[in-house]
Amino acid sequence: GQNIDQPTEMTATEGAIVQINCTYQTSGFNGLFWYQQHAGEAPTFLSYNVLDGLEEKGRFSSFLSRSKGYSYLLLKELQMKDSASYLCAVRNDYKLSFGAGTTVTVRA
Amino acid sequence: GAGVSQSPRYKVAKRGQDVALRCDPISGHVSLFWYQQALGQGPEFLTYFQNEAQLDKSGLPSDRFFAERPEGSVSTLKIQRTQQEDSAVYLCASSGEVRGSGSHPNLPYNEQFFGPGTRLTVL
Repeated sequence: GQNIDQPTEMTATEGAIVQINCTYQTSGFNGLFWYQQHAGEAPTFLSYNVLDGLEEKGRFSSFLSRSKGYSYLLLKELQMKDSASYLCAVRNDYKLSFGAGTTVTVRA
Repeated sequence: GAGVSQSPRYKVAKRGQDVALRCDPISGHVSLFWYQQALGQGPEFLTYFQNEAQLDKSGLPSDRFFAERPEGSVSTLKIQRTQQEDSAVYLCASSGEVRGSGSHPNLPYNEQFFGPGTRLTVL
């Protein structure tokens, strides 16, 4: 089975940093994705990790520790447009299993 | 078009009615996926196609759900005799292999590109 946990909600101030944690216990692992989803819109790809370590992409970074079943997404220099749901997804072969998502609210 | 498109964007059905949801994947993408997303939850896998072949339908919740992709491009998800618990957003995604970048330049991955979804409400 698949068990993917992430916090339900987080709030942060514009310009600040927020870290969204994701822990997983899955029957197989071929990589971990982070997606951003604005209300009523499609999930859009943010990052992919398959080996341990940090991947940096502009204001967003993602970290993976396979031995700990743990990942985080780091959002720096928060902007109002970053208010959205952030989905952690584990890939097993072709299939993605998603967490319930973390709703991030950015306040001025 | 440049992205995955789905139609209709919104569908209201009376309980017991049949519905058909359409997905147009990105041109050239071999893989196509359907997901169901309940309010406040992440997407749940329903089914997977590689070209016209349905390789995995393990996520379909009942035999009222049926998906097809007869020519390996457009796909239709059909729900027969809809029930209130079928109310959700139905997302379609397509993917093609992408070479990795950054610190892992040689690792391929299959980013899934999602459509905007169809919000189904069953009354």
